[in-house]
Amino acid sequence: GAVVSQHPSWVICKSGTSVKIECRSLDFQATTMFWYRQFPKQSLMLMATSNEGSKATYEQGVEKDKFLINHASLTLSTLTVTSAHPEDSSFYICSALGLFLDEQFFGPGTRLTVL
Amino acid sequence: AQKITQTQPGMFVQEKEAVTLDCTYDTSDPSYGLFWYKQPSSGEMIFLIYQGSYDQQNATEGRYSLNFQKARKSANLVISASQLGDSAMYFCAMREGIEGYQKVTFGTGTKLQVIP
Repeated sequence: GAVVSQHPSWVICKSGTSVKIECRSLDFQATTMFWYRQFPKQSLMLMATSNEGSKATYEQGVEKDKFLINHASLTLSTLTVTSAHPEDSSFYICSALGLFLDEQFFGPGTRLTVL
Repeated sequence: AQKITQTQPGMFVQEKEAVTLDCTYDTSDPSYGLFWYKQPSSGEMIFLIYQGSYDQQNATEGRYSLNFQKARKSANLVISASQLGDSAMYFCAMREGIEGYQKVTFGTGTKLQVIP
């Protein structure tokens, strides 16, 4: 099956710094990618939909200036958490839609801890 | 309003027994898709099964089957012959929208524990 990678797998940073998370589709072109956030023992919360070549569509309540999303190519989307604070600590997961309706491929996730 | 509702925060099942995890959804799109995912403690999302809104037959994948009742807007997951390795969080998700404007949203999940 198709593979989606995320880098880094985990990151610890100081409050106030920015962190970039990469999501890559390794063997297919992904027009649409999604970014999710998951708190411990909770569900995946859709943050934004990233379409190649256009601005991301953010869900209500998600700060677009805080969570910058760039989908510059068909195989790469990036999420930058700007001026991170401890409350941004979470598990961030990306996914990419495949060609067929039943295809959604998830990355392994990135665990962010902000001190 | 919740798009995807999973009313069972936690479930226990005896090993080798079958278990049904509930999922109801809400959409006005005529074309949509329903997924079930398993998330073990490692955090990875494992695809289990998919049902398209126009599919006539209920989806099956090995020990997993989806009881799709379109009129009731429900898409329950049935796991037959439970195994200890089935213990995990299970999420129901829905894909809706048209190409270029699609989104996939998740239910709150059900934690399944299989008892030996």
